[in-house]
Amino acid sequence: DGGITQSPKYLFRKEGQNVTLSCEQNLNHDAMYWYRQDPGQGLRLIYYSQIVNDFQKGDIAEGYSVSREKKESFPLTVTSAQKNPTAFYLCASSSETLGTPLHFGNGTRLTVT
Amino acid sequence: RKEVEQDPGPFNVPEGATVAFNCTYSNSASQSFFWYRQDCRKEPKLLMSVYSSGNEDGRFTAQLNRASQYISLLIRDSKLSDSATYLCVVRHYGQNFVFGPGTRLSVLP
Repeated sequence: DGGITQSPKYLFRKEGQNVTLSCEQNLNHDAMYWYRQDPGQGLRLIYYSQIVNDFQKGDIAEGYSVSREKKESFPLTVTSAQKNPTAFYLCASSSETLGTPLHFGNGTRLTVT
Repeated sequence: RKEVEQDPGPFNVPEGATVAFNCTYSNSASQSFFWYRQDCRKEPKLLMSVYSSGNEDGRFTAQLNRASQYISLLIRDSKLSDSATYLCVVRHYGQNFVFGPGTRLSVLP
């Protein structure tokens, strides 16, 4: 079955360390996205990519970096510059066809202490 | 003003009740519309797309009013399992998806 795989499900890091969250999709979607969700809050867009080797900043890109070397993969690095990295991170993908929805992975819950 | 706004909630309703969620969007160029549900500590899941003529899926009915830039979701005969946060999502062609803040529903026994 096609889908989006995020790993790991839970991640614990010490403050000051960079950490990379994995996101892989086999839906053949061109566009991929990273969102952050804090408890009781809505989704906020971190980065998105509409094509391989190209990506754009979302609303809260500071302290994060991404790469898109393959269509299937869109890893997110949370750097030590991100002041409050503890959150629920969601990866999603979509096709560019009008009317098609966004598909989400299961998410990675990152805790930084 | 936020681009997508929803009823603030939470909604607490008894089992079997009918509940309606409202959503307004500010960008008249929006072309695709969706309702997602999100359970606590899980990813959002597509509930239904919303079409201009309105559409129904079992107990769920979605309506779109382009002139008023308004989307609704009606849940009939609500079940305990319907308890979740409901997210209104719009998309402009070639642009990103824009999420509303969500409305939390609790269906009570």
